[in-house]
Amino acid sequence: GQNIDQPTEMTATEGAIVQINCTYQTSGFNGLFWYQQHAGEAPTFLSYNVLDGLEEKGRFSSFLSRSKGYSYLLLKELQMKDSASYLCAVRGRAGANNLFFGTGTRLTVIP
Amino acid sequence: NAGVTQTPKFRVLKTGQSMTLLCAQDMNHEYMYWYRQDPGMGLRLIHYSVGEGTTAKGEVPDGYNVSRLKKQNFLLGLESAAPSQTSVYFCATQDDPSRGYTFGSGTRLTVV
Repeated sequence: GQNIDQPTEMTATEGAIVQINCTYQTSGFNGLFWYQQHAGEAPTFLSYNVLDGLEEKGRFSSFLSRSKGYSYLLLKELQMKDSASYLCAVRGRAGANNLFFGTGTRLTVIP
Repeated sequence: NAGVTQTPKFRVLKTGQSMTLLCAQDMNHEYMYWYRQDPGMGLRLIHYSVGEGTTAKGEVPDGYNVSRLKKQNFLLGLESAAPSQTSVYFCATQDDPSRGYTFGSGTRLTVV
């Protein structure tokens, strides 16, 4: 089976740094994705990790530890427009492209 | 270049009615997916396709059927709608596995 856990809600201050955690237990592992979803809109792709370590892309970074079944998304220099849900998704066995999604973390950025 | 287009965007159905949701893509992607998103449940895979003429079941396929007669179109059918199928439906496509999905804008379906 697949189990992906994320905090339900987080609040952070504009200009600050926030870390959103994701833990997973899946039958097979072939990559972890982070998506951003604004209310009423479709998810948009943020990052992809398949090897251990940190991937940096502008203000967003994503970290993966396969041995711990753990990932985090780091958002720096928070802006009001970063208020959204952040979805962690795992691709299971090799050869399958299906993603299993967590329930998402709703981030609210306050002034 | 429209990307991934879903029609309709909104629909209200009565219990027992049928309908088809259309997903059209102009990116020549091989893989296409139908997900539903419900509060507190996250995105769940209904059916998917790895190429023209192929379909496969996902996590929650019951009550739905799909077809992919042309590479650019992936249809999701509800033969006899039930209130439990009230949800937001997203179509997604993919070519390179490292790039993740490209999602359509979603269809908000209410079954009364």
